[in-house]
Amino acid sequence: DSGVTQTPKHLITATGQRVTLRCSPRSGDLSVYWYQQSLDQGLQFLIQYYNGEERAKGNILERFSAQQFPDLHSELNLSSLELGDSALYFCASSVRGDTEAFFGQGTRLTVV
Amino acid sequence: GESVGLHLPTLSVQEGDNSIINCAYSNSASDYFIWYKQESGKGPQFIIDIRSNMDKRQGQRVTVLLNKTVKHLSLQIAATQPGDSAVYFCAENRNGNKLVFGAGTILRVKS
Repeated sequence: DSGVTQTPKHLITATGQRVTLRCSPRSGDLSVYWYQQSLDQGLQFLIQYYNGEERAKGNILERFSAQQFPDLHSELNLSSLELGDSALYFCASSVRGDTEAFFGQGTRLTVV
Repeated sequence: GESVGLHLPTLSVQEGDNSIINCAYSNSASDYFIWYKQESGKGPQFIIDIRSNMDKRQGQRVTVLLNKTVKHLSLQIAATQPGDSAVYFCAENRNGNKLVFGAGTILRVKS
C-alpha cells in the first residue's frame, strides 16, 4: 500500500458527461501529480500541484481541470467526455517535487 | 507530448539471470530520475532513484546507472525472479517540476 488513495476505483459513464476523480496523497506529501494511462499513450503527465498551487502542466486537455485543496487532497475534473478519454487515471504524491513519488491504484474510467 | 508511446520493447530473461533495462531520457536539464515497476492492474511502484550528481546507486538487488553524457539510464536487476515480471518505466524530473515517464519495457522472466 503506497498510502495514496484514489476514488472511485472504477467509473463508467456516457459520452458528454462530467466526472470527478479524487486523490488523497500520503500524509505529509505536498506535491500531487495526475497521469493518464491508455494503451496507446503510456503514462501521460497531465498536471502537478504543490501545496495548493499549480506547479507544472502537461498536455492536459481544456476539458480537464484539477485543483488541490487546503487539506492537500486533489480532484481531477473531466468534462464533455469522449470515448477516447477511457483510460486509467493515476494520482501520485511526493513530499516535494524532487523526491520519490508514490502512486495510487488508479481510477479506471470507461466512457460508453 | 509528455510521454513516449508504444509497442513496448520486451526483455525476456531466465530466472536467476541478471536483467538490464535501458532508458534514454529527453531533457539534458533533468536532475532527478526514478525507476518504477508496474504490474498488471496496479499503479507504478517506486524501485530506486538517482540524482544527477551521481552516476550509480545501489539498492536491494537493483542498481541504477546514469550516463549524463549520452542521456542514458539503466536498471540492473540481479538474480531476476518470476515476481520481477512487470513493465518497467524510467521517469525524469527537473527542479521538482513534472515527472515525465519513458515508454516502458516489459520484463518477462522464464522459469
